[in-house]
Amino acid sequence: NAGVTQTPKFRVLKTGQSMTLLCAQDMNHEYMYWYRQDPGMGLRLIHYSVGEGTTAKGEVPDGYNVSRLKKQNFLLGLESAAPSQTSVYFCASSYRAKNTEAFFGQGTRLTVV
Amino acid sequence: AQSVAQPEDQVNVAEGNPLTVKCTYSVSGNPYLFWYVQYPNRGLQFLLKYITGDNLVKGSYGFEAEFNKSQTSFHLKKPSALVSDSALYFCAVRGDAGNMLTFGGGTRLMVKP
Repeated sequence: NAGVTQTPKFRVLKTGQSMTLLCAQDMNHEYMYWYRQDPGMGLRLIHYSVGEGTTAKGEVPDGYNVSRLKKQNFLLGLESAAPSQTSVYFCASSYRAKNTEAFFGQGTRLTVV
Repeated sequence: AQSVAQPEDQVNVAEGNPLTVKCTYSVSGNPYLFWYVQYPNRGLQFLLKYITGDNLVKGSYGFEAEFNKSQTSFHLKKPSALVSDSALYFCAVRGDAGNMLTFGGGTRLMVKP
């Protein structure tokens, strides 16, 4: 059972380039999340989705877009990367019930130069 | 808006001694509280959660957490620390009025032999 899989694991971008991070889960979870982790800042929610075809903004959505065309996939896009977006990105998924824990992927380390 | 505070960036404890990692929260409605652990270059792993009922929750690897509604706290504890417990610990909250899962800034636990 793969759980939550993130692609790619590492990436270096030049300022202004675009890229898409892919998150795939095989647990039939309704909810999916994208977080960024920065030193001293903990995990901050970028966007999340409560179901196929729906997305919502989190705490730090600016500069990112997301799509959830299939229940098992949640894509995070950077249209024009900036050095401030250098971070480790984590995807997570959970069942709909409020009392269920989220499962995390292994992370994507992104550097924007 | 909901929030989580972990007031200590780092907690140092000697092996065999009890440990406490502090967490306080703010959320509308009933809280659903979670603790996660992160080892270097890994994703977050679920440790335990509070839903309703007993204020003392037992989880993985001998960890437990005490929920205190009046103090809006959910401190993580372990009676006897191991060197292998050294990691980054995150507290998270979800309220029954919303869908976001909000994390604290994290606390680094260092257990010395």
